[in-house]
Amino acid sequence: GIQVEQSPPDLILQEGANSTLRCNFSDSVNNLQWFHQNPWGQLINLFYIPSGTKQNGRLSATTVATERYSLLYISSSQTTDSGVYFCAVVGINTGTASKLTFGTGTRLQVTL
Amino acid sequence: KAGVTQTPRYLIKTRGQQVTLSCSPISGHRSVSWYQQTPGQGLQFLFEYFSETQRNKGNFPGRFSGRQFSNSRSEMNVSTLELGDSALYLCASSVQGASNTEAFFGQGTRLTVV
Repeated sequence: GIQVEQSPPDLILQEGANSTLRCNFSDSVNNLQWFHQNPWGQLINLFYIPSGTKQNGRLSATTVATERYSLLYISSSQTTDSGVYFCAVVGINTGTASKLTFGTGTRLQVTL
Repeated sequence: KAGVTQTPRYLIKTRGQQVTLSCSPISGHRSVSWYQQTPGQGLQFLFEYFSETQRNKGNFPGRFSGRQFSNSRSEMNVSTLELGDSALYLCASSVQGASNTEAFFGQGTRLTVV
């Protein structure tokens, strides 16, 4: 099946700093989503971005489908940005399968 | 618009018992998927239901089963619980399935097996 790798695994930032999280995937995708998992476990939708670039406030994301990677940019980080960020994809070769394959996540800690 | 609702939020069960978890999707969403999250294995796909039919299944034993009702609400059942079933169980809903529409997750049910 499709493989998803995220980097870095851990990131510690001071409040106000910028960061870039990366997601590499091993096959073409129909769907790519970025999530933020809050301390209570809920996955919060950040972006639905199988290709192209999107921005939402301090966050933006770019997926270069032809090169099989996606980037999540966090600018002017705040302590509330802390948590685990997941990239999840549905491979184009999974047929009708709707299963999201998740990366192992990037654990972000923003300190004062 | 209400989000995905999972109940209960927390559950403690004894080995050998069975458990049923519930998921109410976003109104208008017909696809419901279930995922298991553990520290060792990460987030893994259990199964997907669409229009009351199981459409896809992950690599889990037959002790894990589910169903979907005509109102798209879904239940997941785990029989003969094992210690290793302790996990966060997450439900996702989407209009037609995650392969071509955005998936939204509930808050999860945290199951502890003792």
